Amino acid sequence: AQSVTQLGSHVSVSEGALVLLRCNYSSSVPPYLFWYVQYPNQGLQLLLKYTTGATLVKGINGFEAEFKKSETSFHLTKPSAHMSDAAEYFCAVPLVFGKGTRLSVIA
Amino acid sequence: ETGVTQTPRHLVMGMTNKKSLKCEQHLGHNAMYWYKQSAKKPLELMFVYSLEERVENNSVPSRFSPECPNSSHLFLHLHTLQPEDSALYLCASSRRGNTEAFFGQGTRLTVV
Repeated sequence: AQSVTQLGSHVSVSEGALVLLRCNYSSSVPPYLFWYVQYPNQGLQLLLKYTTGATLVKGINGFEAEFKKSETSFHLTKPSAHMSDAAEYFCAVPLVFGKGTRLSVIA
Repeated sequence: ETGVTQTPRHLVMGMTNKKSLKCEQHLGHNAMYWYKQSAKKPLELMFVYSLEERVENNSVPSRFSPECPNSSHLFLHLHTLQPEDSALYLCASSRRGNTEAFFGQGTRLTVV
């Protein structure tokens, strides 16, 4: 069965700093991979997805992720954090979600 | 507007009550899901409906009973719940296959 592991349940960055949220997947075949964001008391919203083709995927709100098969990773990055980025982020394969990483942004 | 609407947004119920959660999607999807999100726990997939047939039931207690009358509507009927069932219940929909899911805003359930 496919699964994902998110490293770090909580990440804290300063406003304007690089955001890096880590995700590794477990799959015998190249998976479909997703990143979602959840704001308090809201549902999950798709940030970006990898299916096939280009390994660097750009999403909404300035986020991007790179699929690295050799490392079985799909880390999420954003060059400059904004206060509005504070939320919970989930890495996922179809129907299965990681435990989530809470991102805090410090002014 | 996400295209997936859940009602009610908040629900407080006693352990002997019967209530239902409703989910409606306007995206033309043919698969719908119920997830449970508890504090400090991963998102738990409860039920999967594909083309209105239940295709997955992840060992969910019988006090949770899903219903999918058509491809646009999904219900979760609740009865004799326990306090540990308090959580955010999320509905999602997607096209069949390895596609992304679209989520509703959730129902915050508190069992007292």
